[in-house]
Amino acid sequence: AQTVTQSQPEMSVQEAETVTLSCTYDTSESDYYLFWYKQPPSRQMILVIRQEAYKQQNATENRFSVNFQKAAKSFSLKISDSQLGDAAMYFCAKNYGGSQGNLIFGKGTKLSVKP
Amino acid sequence: NAGVTQTPKFRILKIGQSMTLQCTQDMNHNYMYWYRQDPGMGLKLIYYSVGAGITDKGEVPNGYNVSRSTTEDFPLRLELAAPSQTSVYFCASSYSEGLGSPLHFGNGTRLTVT
Repeated sequence: AQTVTQSQPEMSVQEAETVTLSCTYDTSESDYYLFWYKQPPSRQMILVIRQEAYKQQNATENRFSVNFQKAAKSFSLKISDSQLGDAAMYFCAKNYGGSQGNLIFGKGTKLSVKP
Repeated sequence: NAGVTQTPKFRILKIGQSMTLQCTQDMNHNYMYWYRQDPGMGLKLIYYSVGAGITDKGEVPNGYNVSRSTTEDFPLRLELAAPSQTSVYFCASSYSEGLGSPLHFGNGTRLTVT
């Protein structure tokens, strides 16, 4: 069975600082997608960033970037210049079966941002 | 744009009751999905559909049924509600299954079975 593991239930960062959220996964597939989703208290799921496994270049979206290590099956999220609005649950997810909507999620990391 | 709309937002059911969670999207998306999110956990895929008339099981389909008679609608049916089905249910859609077509999520339905 495929699994996605987030080993940090909670993280805290000072406003304007940088924080890294960890994610590891297990799979026998060679081609797949990886995602980070943000879930604020409003409950809505918001896509933060995505990565195609066959691309070696790490994805970047403004203040958000990933460190994708395919051999190690690691996919961490780095948030730079943290803002109060970044406080939320963050979920790492991986697709399976070729469809980017068939997702396995980790249990999430609750990020707090201190002013 | 409405996007993905789920109704109701909240519901309390007694054990053994049945109900249908509604999901509709106005983006002409082919792919639709139902997820559940248990407290303190990530989302788990219940069922998905790649187009009208086509549905398939996800990771946790037991206790649920779906249908897809139109492109817009993808209702989720609970026939005999059980406490284990207490969860937040999310519907999502995408135009295709490729990475260039991201998932659009609804705001969720919080269901409590007592």
